[in-house]
Amino acid sequence: AQSVTQLGSHVSVSEGALVLLRCNYSSSVPPYLFWYVQYPNQGLQLLLKYTTGATLVKGINGFEAEFKKSETSFHLTKPSAHMSDAAEYFCAVSDQVSGGYNKLIFGAGTRLAVHP
Amino acid sequence: DTAVSQTPKYLVTQMGNDKSIKCEQNLGHDTMYWYKQDSKKFLKIMFSYNNKELIINETVPNRFSPKSPDKAHLNLHINSLELGDSAVYFCASSQYLKETQYFGPGTRLLVL
Repeated sequence: AQSVTQLGSHVSVSEGALVLLRCNYSSSVPPYLFWYVQYPNQGLQLLLKYTTGATLVKGINGFEAEFKKSETSFHLTKPSAHMSDAAEYFCAVSDQVSGGYNKLIFGAGTRLAVHP
Repeated sequence: DTAVSQTPKYLVTQMGNDKSIKCEQNLGHDTMYWYKQDSKKFLKIMFSYNNKELIINETVPNRFSPKSPDKAHLNLHINSLELGDSAVYFCASSQYLKETQYFGPGTRLLVL
């Protein structure tokens, strides 16, 4: 069964510093991987996704993630943190069920704090 | 226009009551989902419907009953609410064979 592990439930960075949020997955098939962001008291917004093709994917708000099959990782990065990046970030893997349907398996989330 | 909308946004109720949460999507998708986010922010799928048919039913108490009147709507009815049902419930939608799911704003349920 698919699973996702996010290392670090809390990450704190200074404004302007590099953001690195770690995600490792377990999957018996080539994975579809996602990063979602949840701002306080809001829903989940898709940041970026990897399905096939280029292993470095770019998303919204300057975020990007690199799929590394050998490391079973899909870490999220942003070169320079902004105060508005403070939020909860979720890594997810798509788990296929019968009939071509799928469900998302989420990691536990990483809360990103950005301080001046 | 809101792509995936949920009502109500907040729901406070007493133990033992029955309540419903509604979800609507205007993305033209044919598959919809309910996810539960607990107090520790952990997200887990509950149900999925494709074009009004139940596709995924995780190990959810039978007090929870989803209903899909059409492919654009998926409602969640909860009977005999318990304290442990307090959570944020997210609706999501996608197109069959497409992997990306789009989420609603969530319904924050508090059972007292």
